[in-house]
Amino acid sequence: NAGVTQTPKFQVLKTGQSMTLQCAQDMNHEYMSWYRQDPGMGLRLIHYSVGAGITDQGEVPNGYNVSRSTTEDFPLRLLSAAPSQTSVYFCASSRPTGPPYEQYFGPGTRLTVT
Amino acid sequence: QKEVEQDPGPLSVPEGAIVSLNCTYSNSAFQYFMWYRQYSRKGPELLMYTYSSGNKEDGRFTAQVDKSSKYISLFIRDSQPSDSATYLCAMRGEGLTGGGNKLTFGTGTQLKVEL
Repeated sequence: NAGVTQTPKFQVLKTGQSMTLQCAQDMNHEYMSWYRQDPGMGLRLIHYSVGAGITDQGEVPNGYNVSRSTTEDFPLRLLSAAPSQTSVYFCASSRPTGPPYEQYFGPGTRLTVT
Repeated sequence: QKEVEQDPGPLSVPEGAIVSLNCTYSNSAFQYFMWYRQYSRKGPELLMYTYSSGNKEDGRFTAQVDKSSKYISLFIRDSQPSDSATYLCAMRGEGLTGGGNKLTFGTGTQLKVEL
């Protein structure tokens, strides 16, 4: 099993550009989430999905869109990139039941917006 | 005030030392307490979890929860250079908490174990 995969690993964008961060998992997990990690802020939830066709907002959703057409894929779209979106983005998946309610994280995408 | 507070470090210790990492929290609904380890430029991985108060041991690692004080700890015995990483505490309540199994994370403590 590859687990959770993310592409690209690194990306540099100019202010105003748009892009999609890809995330896929092969563990048949119903739940998937996007987090951003910033120094001194920890991991903050952007958007999440509890199944194909169902998405909802997390703590910091502004400037991001998501969709979930399949169980495996959960792309994150930046609509108009801003320097404040410079961060490391992690996709995670989990089973709906627990314990341990473990979140399985991908390797991350490092995004710089200039 | 953040729901979960964690000293960011960095913490530098010699090989073989006992390491103590801690988090405090304010939400009394938290019941599951986890420690994630994150190596540089990697995603976090679950290291240990405990339910409610008490201790849990796994090899060189011991997780401790004191719900009365809203304080959790991770102890690493005989620390090794391979333990050098950022350690994040994470918590959640009982049952369906919404947010797709949303965890509330601490900011992480950076640990370096030196030869």
